[in-house]
Amino acid sequence: GAVVSQHPSRVICKSGTSVKIECRSLDFQATTMFWYRQFPKQSLMLMATSNEGSKATYEQGVEKDKFLINHASLTLSTLTVTSAHPEDSSFYICSARQVNSGANVLTFGAGSRLTVL
Amino acid sequence: DAKTTQPNSMESNEEEPVHLPCNHSTISGTDYIHWYRQLPSQGPEYVIHGLTSNVNNRMASLAIAEDRKSSTLILHRATLRDAAVYYCILRDVTRDDKIIFGKGTRLHILP
Repeated sequence: GAVVSQHPSRVICKSGTSVKIECRSLDFQATTMFWYRQFPKQSLMLMATSNEGSKATYEQGVEKDKFLINHASLTLSTLTVTSAHPEDSSFYICSARQVNSGANVLTFGAGSRLTVL
Repeated sequence: DAKTTQPNSMESNEEEPVHLPCNHSTISGTDYIHWYRQLPSQGPEYVIHGLTSNVNNRMASLAIAEDRKSSTLILHRATLRDAAVYYCILRDVTRDDKIIFGKGTRLHILP
């Protein structure tokens, strides 16, 4: 089945630094990937839609200069949290849909837990 | 977008069937009913989906009401590993691809 890999699974950084999270579709191509954020005991919140070869589409209230998304190939999207602060500490999850997938099922990564000190 | 309503939490005994309800009274004709679940500290995983007819796969069954305004996810024999948050989601891919998650139902399995 389709597999989405996220790296790193856990990251701890100092306040003010930038952190990059990678999302790879391992055995399929994805023109579109989605980035979510999840705080403890809460549901997933969609942050942005990452489109291969074009700019990401951000949800209302998500700062595009804070959360930089790059989707340079059909198998890789990256999320960079710039100048991270403790309030950015969260569980970040990506998902992707296989191109021409009849079932239109999204496959999710295992998530990346960011802790900003 | 059409919304879904699920109970916040449910409990079930191990090795017994579990019926997780979902109401979606404003569903449109092109909305598919999808179920995902999220185990602790993991990303969501696909469980099952359907349009009008009941569906079965190795993980679960999906029973869809005749008027499509509600559906039920059925786990035939719950195990401790089925403890998770279950999300019922409507998707119309003719509109867009993204999934918006509600609060879901937290399923507790009692040994």
